[in-house]
Amino acid sequence: AQSVAQPEDQVNVAEGNPLTVKCTYSVSGNPYLFWYVQYPNRGLQFLLKYITGDNLVKGSYGFEAEFNKSQTSFHLKKPSALVSDSALYFCAVRDESGTNAGKSTFGDGTTLTVKP
Amino acid sequence: NAGVTQTPKFRVLKTGQSMTLLCAQDMNHEYMYWYRQDPGMGLRLIHYSVGEGTTAKGEVPDGYNVSRLKKQNFLLGLESAAPSQTSVYFCASSYSRWSDRGRNTEAFFGQGTRLTVV
Repeated sequence: AQSVAQPEDQVNVAEGNPLTVKCTYSVSGNPYLFWYVQYPNRGLQFLLKYITGDNLVKGSYGFEAEFNKSQTSFHLKKPSALVSDSALYFCAVRDESGTNAGKSTFGDGTTLTVKP
Repeated sequence: NAGVTQTPKFRVLKTGQSMTLLCAQDMNHEYMYWYRQDPGMGLRLIHYSVGEGTTAKGEVPDGYNVSRLKKQNFLLGLESAAPSQTSVYFCASSYSRWSDRGRNTEAFFGQGTRLTVV
């Protein structure tokens, strides 16, 4: 079955420090992987994606993520955190194979808090 | 472009009442989704559709029905609302693998519908 795990409910970092938000996934075919951010009382906004190609993908607001096929991981990273990065982050996987083509599953989310 | 529009934004229902949530997208996306978001449980997929006239069950389909009669609209119905269906509902849409040309595969989300069942 298709699934996404975000093992940390909460990540706290100091402004200026690097941040990592973890994500692992399970899918039957080749995965489409995504990160989204949600600010309070808002819908989700796309940050970045991995479809194919380079394992390191860069996205909006200085975020990047590394696809690791052997570890089935897609961790979100940023070299220097900003207070304005504080939000709820979701990892998602979309299956594009067989009968599950198009099915898109999200993790439970990780609350990132960046302190000044 | 309006993107993804959800109607209504807020609603209070009494137990046993029915209602329909409407999602409309103007991006010619093949895929459409309904999710519910509850505290500590992330986004859970209720139903999804990979094209006009097709629907499929997600992780938590019980108590909900959907229809995709037109490509741009995806309706979520609650036939007999229960307090357990109190949640924030999000609709999303995206291109399919075959039409996105690898560029715009991501999902676009509506602003959400806050539903309370009392």
